[in-house]
Amino acid sequence: NAGVTQTPKFRVLKTGQSMTLLCAQDMNHEYMYWYRQDPGMGLRLIHYSVGEGTTAKGEVPDGYNVSRLKKQNFLLGLESAAPSQTSVYFCASSYMVENTEAFFGQGTRLTVV
Amino acid sequence: AQSVTQLDSQVPVFEEAPVELRCNYSSSVSVYLFWYVQYPNQGLQLLLKYLSGSTLVKGINGFEAEFNKSQTSFHLRKPSVHISDTAEYFCAVSVSTSYGKLTFGQGTILTVHP
Repeated sequence: NAGVTQTPKFRVLKTGQSMTLLCAQDMNHEYMYWYRQDPGMGLRLIHYSVGEGTTAKGEVPDGYNVSRLKKQNFLLGLESAAPSQTSVYFCASSYMVENTEAFFGQGTRLTVV
Repeated sequence: AQSVTQLDSQVPVFEEAPVELRCNYSSSVSVYLFWYVQYPNQGLQLLLKYLSGSTLVKGINGFEAEFNKSQTSFHLRKPSVHISDTAEYFCAVSVSTSYGKLTFGQGTILTVHP
């Protein structure tokens, strides 16, 4: 039972480099989310998707892009990484029901130097 | 917009003592409330949730929380903690028509000492 799987788990980038974080879920969830976690700030929503082919901005979208070409996958891209994007990134997914819980991946720890 | 405030950033307790982690929220509409736990180097796991009905909600690992609408609070409690409860705890809120998006508090680090 994989649930929500994030790839990679750790990454170090140089300023200006690009990368893509992959999130895959095997629960047939419609909704998917990308959050970032920073000390003392909890988790903040970057982008989300309510279905295949759809994406929308969250609270802190600047510097990130996303794509949801397949229902089970949600990709988060950094086109030109900045030190301010050093964070732990979590993907989550949930059913298309308003009051249901979200299931989280294990996180990706990204350091931009 | 909604907001969540967790009133304590760190809570140290001794094993077998009771604990309360405090959470207050702000919203102009009805909310759904959640407590998540994050063990070191892991993702978030749901402890419990309040959707409607009884204001006392029981979750996993002996935790419970009470929804207080008049005080806009959703405090988490456990009568007797174990070393294994050491983790970071997050209170979160969502509202209907928000596509399940969560607004999180800042987190409370619970450290249980022997």
